[in-house]
Amino acid sequence: AQSVAQPEDQVNVAEGNPLTVKCTYSVSGNPYLFWYVQYPNRGLQFLLKYITGDNLVKGSYGFEAEFNKSQTSFHLKKPSALVSDSALYFCAVRDRSTGGFKTIFGAGTRLFVKA
Amino acid sequence: NAGVMQNPRHLVRRRGQEARLRCSPMKGHSHVYWYRQLPEEGLKFMVYLQKENIIDESGMPKERFSAEFPKEGPSILRIQQVVRGDSAAYFCASSPSSGTGGGNTEAFFGQGTRLTVV
Repeated sequence: AQSVAQPEDQVNVAEGNPLTVKCTYSVSGNPYLFWYVQYPNRGLQFLLKYITGDNLVKGSYGFEAEFNKSQTSFHLKKPSALVSDSALYFCAVRDRSTGGFKTIFGAGTRLFVKA
Repeated sequence: NAGVMQNPRHLVRRRGQEARLRCSPMKGHSHVYWYRQLPEEGLKFMVYLQKENIIDESGMPKERFSAEFPKEGPSILRIQQVVRGDSAAYFCASSPSSGTGGGNTEAFFGQGTRLTVV
């Protein structure tokens, strides 16, 4: 069975500082990995995904994530945080070996960026 | 190309009534997923459907909840005899069929339906 863990409920960072939002996953086969962001009272917006190839994936709004197979991690990063990055971030996984589309989400991490 | 459309955006029901939530996937998408988000919590997978078929309903409560995705029209999530604990945001997402995108394609989410049971 596939699962996702986001160990931090909340991350606080000052504007201009680098940010990291952590994610680890568990699948029986190889994963497809995704990051989404949710602003208040809105649906989820896709940020980036890892499918294959380069372990460093670049996405929307200056975000990037690094796939680490040995650590089964897919941490989200940004070199310089903005106040407008404050939102709820979700990591998600699909098990590609099952050939299916079922996506499992982590519990979410709330990011606060202070000016 | 319109995104995933969910309606209504807000729905208020009294205990014991029925709630019907609708989701129209993006054009060309034949896979639909429903998720539930309780206040201050993450998304919980409920059900995965393709046209006229339920593929995975492992996240659906055994009673009162049902989902369909007919050949024509939107996907419907139906909750019978609602209780206060059903109050949540219900999100629908869609993705293309395997012929065009495969499992590596991200799902696109609607704005959600916020159900309040009073």
